[in-house]
Amino acid sequence: QKEVEQDPGPLSVPEGAIVSLNCTYSNSAFQYFMWYRQYSRKGPELLMYTYSSGNKEDGRFTAQVDKSSKYISLFIRDSQPSDSATYLCALEYSGSARQLTFGSGTQLTVLP
Amino acid sequence: DAGVTQSPTHLIKTRGQQVTLRCSPISGHKSVSWYQQVLGQGPQFIFQYYEKEERGRGNFPDRFSARQFPNYSSELNVNALLLGDSALYLCASSTGFLSNQPQHFGDGTRLSIL
Repeated sequence: QKEVEQDPGPLSVPEGAIVSLNCTYSNSAFQYFMWYRQYSRKGPELLMYTYSSGNKEDGRFTAQVDKSSKYISLFIRDSQPSDSATYLCALEYSGSARQLTFGSGTQLTVLP
Repeated sequence: DAGVTQSPTHLIKTRGQQVTLRCSPISGHKSVSWYQQVLGQGPQFIFQYYEKEERGRGNFPDRFSARQFPNYSSELNVNALLLGDSALYLCASSTGFLSNQPQHFGDGTRLSIL
C-alpha cells in the first residue's frame, strides 16, 4: 500500500465548475500538507501549504485537512482553462529531512 | 527574484555513462533537495542538503550522489546510467531545514537514457 493515494484521473470539467481533488494517507506522522500544480514540461508550483486540520483559503483555492480521517482536499472555485494541469498532493513529517512524499497526481482539464 | 534554476534543461545519455545535473537555489535559501519524477508519477525524494551536509537520503542506489557548495548551489551525479534512470530530475530549495518552511521547485532536467 502506498503511503499517499491520489486518484490519477483524468478529470475533465466545464469552465466555471467547482473542482474537488483528494488524497488519502496512511501514516498519522505526516504533519505538513501541500498542494502543487504542475504544468506540462514544468516543475511543481506550490499552491497551498497547511499544517493543522481545517480549511485554508487563498483566492479561488481552498485546502482542507482532516487528520482524523487522514484525508486532504483541494477545492478550486470558478475553474478556468488556465487551471488545466496536474495537481500533486505532498505530505511531510515534522522534523524530517525535508522529504516530501507525493501522490501520483491528478490530471485536470478545464474545458472552455 | 529568480526562482530555482536548473541546468541543463534536457540531456541525452547512453547506458553506462555518467551525468551531472546542476541546481541554483532561490537567493537566501540554504537547503536543497533533489527528486526524481518518472512519467505519470509523483516526484520521489533522493537527497536533501543543508549547509553543505547531507541531511537525508531516499531509497536510491549508491550510483546517485550529490554535493552542495558554499554558495548553496548543488550538483546531482548519477553513475553507470540505466534505462530506468530516464526521468525528470527536480531540485527544490527552502530557507532552512525545518518542516515549516515550504519547498519551491525548479523546472527540472529531463534526462533520457538510450
